[in-house]
Amino acid sequence: DIQMTQSPSSLSASVGDRVTITCRASQSISSYLNWYQQKPGKAPKVLIYAASSLQSGVPSRFSGSGSGTDFTLTISSLQPEDLATYYCQQSYSAPYTFGQGTKLEIK
Amino acid sequence: EVQLVESGGGLVQPGGSLRLSCAASGFTLSTYSMNWVRQAPGKGLEWVSYISSSSSTIYYADSVKGRFTISRDNAKNSLYLQMNSLRAEDTAVYYCARGSGWYQGGWFDPWGQGTLVTVSS
Repeated sequence: DIQMTQSPSSLSASVGDRVTITCRASQSISSYLNWYQQKPGKAPKVLIYAASSLQSGVPSRFSGSGSGTDFTLTISSLQPEDLATYYCQQSYSAPYTFGQGTKLEIK
Repeated sequence: EVQLVESGGGLVQPGGSLRLSCAASGFTLSTYSMNWVRQAPGKGLEWVSYISSSSSTIYYADSVKGRFTISRDNAKNSLYLQMNSLRAEDTAVYYCARGSGWYQGGWFDPWGQGTLVTVSS
């Protein structure tokens, strides 16, 4: 099975900050990497698919990059509504494993 | 509006069974793969099972293999998860999610609101 490791597990940042979350796969997954945002008490929603494609309706301050084993999610200018937990997920091969999550807090 | 609505959750004793349903609306279920994902209280997301559009390909997480069965009825626009031999560690909110995109696993969009399964005596 492919293991997904996110870092950091949590972070606190100020409005307007640039925030970066990293995700590492235990083996190459090409670009089959997705990012999800889960706000408290809500279902997850996809932000980025195929490593760098922005889902329709998602603000352009979110971006993704990487291929192979190393990936990043970047929020270019943090907004209060970005308070959430972020998960990466590989869909290269089943089981379609998620990272452990990164909890983002607003200072 | 594309929507998924789960039902069937509840309190069940260890060793018991439960059947979850996921009703799809706003799109043709038969053209999409589907997934179940769960989230234990205060924990992260755990993928549980995948079923292809025609039911020809099915996958399970090792943690549920042999106990859970995924199925679908495209004519009824519904997805199911039969859960047997339930354990305390199966306690979680269970989400159904549509598989989107051109590659097998794709990305999960949308998700249902979730249904809570509690396994306890």
